Amino acid sequence: EPEVTQTPSHQVTQMGQEVILRCVPISNHLYFYWYRQILGQKVEFLVSFYNNEISEKSEIFDDQFSVERPDGSNFTLKIRSTKLEDSAMYFCASRPPGLATFTGELFFGEGSRLTVL
Amino acid sequence: EDQVTQSPEALRLQEGESSSLNCSYTVSGLRGLFWYRQDPGKGPEFLFTLYSAGEEKEKERLKATLTKKESFLHITAPKPEDSATYLCAVLVAGGGADGLTFGKGTHLIIQP
Repeated sequence: EPEVTQTPSHQVTQMGQEVILRCVPISNHLYFYWYRQILGQKVEFLVSFYNNEISEKSEIFDDQFSVERPDGSNFTLKIRSTKLEDSAMYFCASRPPGLATFTGELFFGEGSRLTVL
Repeated sequence: EDQVTQSPEALRLQEGESSSLNCSYTVSGLRGLFWYRQDPGKGPEFLFTLYSAGEEKEKERLKATLTKKESFLHITAPKPEDSATYLCAVLVAGGGADGLTFGKGTHLIIQP
């Protein structure tokens, strides 16, 4: 069964360092997302991406964050200068094309845990 | 501000003991309400979509219902493998918005 894969599964970094989290969405999907979940808190929307551009972003997704689809398979989230409060599980998700109405069905990866020291 | 509140935060049941999880929402314009299941260390897994009050969806031991203010996830005769955190999420109206707003979830434990 096709699945969304994320790397690394866990990354530890020093405050102020740049981090890139990588995702390989399901191959025929065209809509891509990043969500995050701080330990013990709710899953929060960061950004959605379609047709090589951001379609929506939340207030959390400020200038320190960026997303890119550098090739036909990878989808990356870059955090330019990490802060302690960026420590969280970051989930990539994707959904297939072809539906006029978003059914709410997203396919999530297993997440990348980011720890900022 | 759009809000999604789930209750209880945690629920422990015996195998076979049916119960319901609640998701109440306050949003400016509901486009859809969704239930997801999340196992420890995993990403959320989609269960149901509900679009309008009165709608119901079923899958195995789970049944989701929707009113104008809340949704219930009914679990009938649960088994230990139903243990997970159940997340409710909403999609609100507004432009091309497709970011989901999640509740904190209900951590469900089914004891054999």
